[in-house]
Amino acid sequence: QKEVEQDPGPLSVPEGAIVSLNCTYSNSAFQYFMWYRQYSRKGPELLMYTYSSGNKEDGRFTAQVDKSSKYISLFIRDSQPSDSATYLCAMSATQGAQKLVFGQGTRLTINP
Amino acid sequence: EPEVTQTPSHQVTQMGQEVILRCVPISNHLYFYWYRQILGQKVEFLVSFYNNEISEKSEIFDDQFSVERPDGSNFTLKIRSTKLEDSAMYFCASSVGGRAQFFGPGTRLTVL
Repeated sequence: QKEVEQDPGPLSVPEGAIVSLNCTYSNSAFQYFMWYRQYSRKGPELLMYTYSSGNKEDGRFTAQVDKSSKYISLFIRDSQPSDSATYLCAMSATQGAQKLVFGQGTRLTINP
Repeated sequence: EPEVTQTPSHQVTQMGQEVILRCVPISNHLYFYWYRQILGQKVEFLVSFYNNEISEKSEIFDDQFSVERPDGSNFTLKIRSTKLEDSAMYFCASSVGGRAQFFGPGTRLTVL
């Protein structure tokens, strides 16, 4: 079983839709969870950073963590064409010099 | 807004040659990382660096790889004898207090 699993998509939705992106993981030691956005041939851009279970909201983005199910989600409200990118989940077990374990990334297209 | 910078943006080299990839982390960050992403694959951890020494390294980071912080601002990744399979995007990242990592734009390494 892969440590972090993420559906690679592609996922295509109309502008204004609510987008739901998900990752599952197998390592129960993971405590820190991140979502990054990556445009083609660019570096990952941090969107959300959460610790342990619960919800976190930042503008149109909401991150959810369910440690009991080993499942994390990112919701994008009122999606825009500029949100079209690959979304990567990443997680780590420790806070120090933490090694991030990434999912495969989900390629998202928002159609005008 | 401070950001991680990397040079060069693209490096082409012959198999067996040495390459040095350079990074300038965000100035008040204390933790530094290198990751790589082979085209179409997930982002993979290579090494983390804190307090002038390697904190953790992956199986990929073998004797052909080394890292250095030669001065107060630069962080470098050296590959001593490049192989075809080293062709990838290499990302530098940094964090403060071992929290969320901020990534640079990457260096695309092409080994011929």
